[in-house]
Formats: sequence, C-alpha cells, structure tokens
Amino acid sequence: EAGVAQSPRYKIIEKRQSVAFWCNPISGHATLYWYQQILGQGPKLLIQFQNNGVVDDSQLPKDRFSAERLKGVDSTLKIQPAKLEDSAVYLCASSAPGGSYEQYFGPGTRLTVT
Amino acid sequence: DQQVKQNSPSLSVQEGRISILNCDYTNSMFDYFLWYKKYPAEGPTFLISISSIKDKNEDGRFTVFLNKSAKHLSLHIVPSQPGDSAVYFCAARLQGAQKLVFGQGTRLTINP
Repeated sequence: EAGVAQSPRYKIIEKRQSVAFWCNPISGHATLYWYQQILGQGPKLLIQFQNNGVVDDSQLPKDRFSAERLKGVDSTLKIQPAKLEDSAVYLCASSAPGGSYEQYFGPGTRLTVT
Repeated sequence: DQQVKQNSPSLSVQEGRISILNCDYTNSMFDYFLWYKKYPAEGPTFLISISSIKDKNEDGRFTVFLNKSAKHLSLHIVPSQPGDSAVYFCAARLQGAQKLVFGQGTRLTINP
C-alpha cells in the first residue's frame, strides 16, 4: 500500500512570495490533515478535510493560507504572501473512514522563507 | 495554551537499558493517547496508543502507561536499541473528534 505522498520535499522562497504544497493521501482515506511543524515544536493542525469538506480550520491563518481538496482526494496548501515565521515543515496526514484515530503522515515539505 | 506537554526536550540512554519518555496533559476530554516516532527528513510514524479507559498497553518492547488522575502518560522502551534513536511525540485525541494535539517532542538518543 502506497503511503502519503507530498511534493516538493524542500522549498526556499523570499518573503512576500507565494508557494504551494501538494498532498496525495493513502487510497480510500476520507480524512486529510495539514500540519505545520516549527523547529523544536510538535505538529500543529492547520486544517482538516473530511472528503471535500472542511471539518476544522480554526488554526489556519486565513489571511495568507488557503487549502483545497478537490474531488476528495489530492489536496493543495497555499501560502500567499509568505512571512519569515512561515518557515517550517508542512506535514500532510490521512486517516481511514470510521473515526480512526491513527493518522498516517507523509514525509513533509520543508519551507524556508528568507 | 499547551494542552499536551513533553517537558524533556532530550533523553540519552545506554543501549540495553530502559528508556522512559513522559507526557502530561491538561484536557480531561482527551479519550485516546498516541505515541509517534519521527526520524530526520521523514514524517511521524505511529508507534502505540492507549484508550483513556485503560491504564496500560503493551506491544513488544514498547509499553504505554496512563495515569488519569495525574493526567500523565509515559512510554517505556525495553530494551533500548540504537534504532530507537528518534524524536518521540506524544499526541492526544479530543473525544468525538479525529483531531490530534501534539506535544513538543523528546529527542531520544541510544548510546552503544
């Protein structure tokens, strides 16, 4: 079974530029999560999708971050414009239907904003 | 507010000995607790979990203990092996939700 795929793995941009990350979850997993992990901290949930719909985006900085999950499969997270404090690893995770508590993570995208 | 705390940023243990990683939480509405392990440049991988109705769960060399009255859980690794060197995250799930709240992580180093 293929795991959660993410791209790119690394990205360096200047502040005020825009950037997009892509995630392909495990086949059949209805729930998809985007996390931000700042160095020295644990992952922090940015947004949670159930199929196409948003379940929780309470910690998403909506003035600059946006995410979509078209057709209930792949998802894209965008930052526009980026700030220095957005430097972090962006992790995508998915979980199986039925309220499973176990989440499967992708390798992450390391973003550096200069 | 930090609802899940791992107060030790790092831990160093000799190979073959027991590793004990600790985690404290504040929210009584957490119903599942999980431990994830993370190697550099990889995403976290699920290790072991425990329901809030239990006080112990064991899987091979890994045992998780839950003390609800103290709002404390711990992960025991016996015996510790060099491949156990990684960052360990404690996570908790809110009752009725799939959302996980993570601690800051503890970097475990197993010395030969």
